[in-house]
Amino acid sequence: QVQLVQSGAEVRKPGSSMKVSCKASGGTFNSYAISWVRQAPGQGLEWMGRIIPLIDMTMYAQKFQGRVTITADKSTSTAYLELSSLRSEDTAVYYCARDPSINSAFDMWGQGTMVTVSS
Amino acid sequence: NFILTQPHSVPESPGKTVTISCTRSSGNIASNYVQWYQQRPGSFPTTVIYEDNQRPSGVPDRFSGSIDSSSNSASLTISGLKTEDEADYYCQSYDNTYKVFGGGTKLTVL
Repeated sequence: QVQLVQSGAEVRKPGSSMKVSCKASGGTFNSYAISWVRQAPGQGLEWMGRIIPLIDMTMYAQKFQGRVTITADKSTSTAYLELSSLRSEDTAVYYCARDPSINSAFDMWGQGTMVTVSS
Repeated sequence: NFILTQPHSVPESPGKTVTISCTRSSGNIASNYVQWYQQRPGSFPTTVIYEDNQRPSGVPDRFSGSIDSSSNSASLTISGLKTEDEADYYCQSYDNTYKVFGGGTKLTVL
């Protein structure tokens, strides 16, 4: 049974970058996309972008354009989220989610990775 | 880009029926499917409704979804409320190249 397993919690300084991984354990991505969704403490869900690993196609939310990079390594079935120029407002739990298509619901989630941005 | 607006919180009593709305700011709500997620504290979201009104296996039929083009909104209705339904609920839709979540509604069952 495929599970999405994310990397552990991180603490980063303002102005630095973060990189979170999401591995499809027990299987592969197949043709699915992987989306990244974040949730600041006490706040709602925010979609950041997605990648279709099979064709390396990415889409990003306008808010994060220029600061976010989503990549995938098909050989290890691992997706990555990089966010640069971090500020305190980027403190959040970052989730990866399996994303069958643009018009579908997310059907599997990673456990979440807490990223704290603090000096 | 459009936004999805939900009420911040909704209180209701056990056994009652509650409806949570999700209004799309621009574009036709019926043009793109709406999904609904339930999120309990400390956990990732889970889907309770997909494609406007479809229930995943394992979700009780107390949960239903609908679309109203006249108000350009989607609704999640939960009947026969149970204390275990207390959670945050998020609607989500999409356009050609991006996905959007509503701000979330905290359902309190008391």
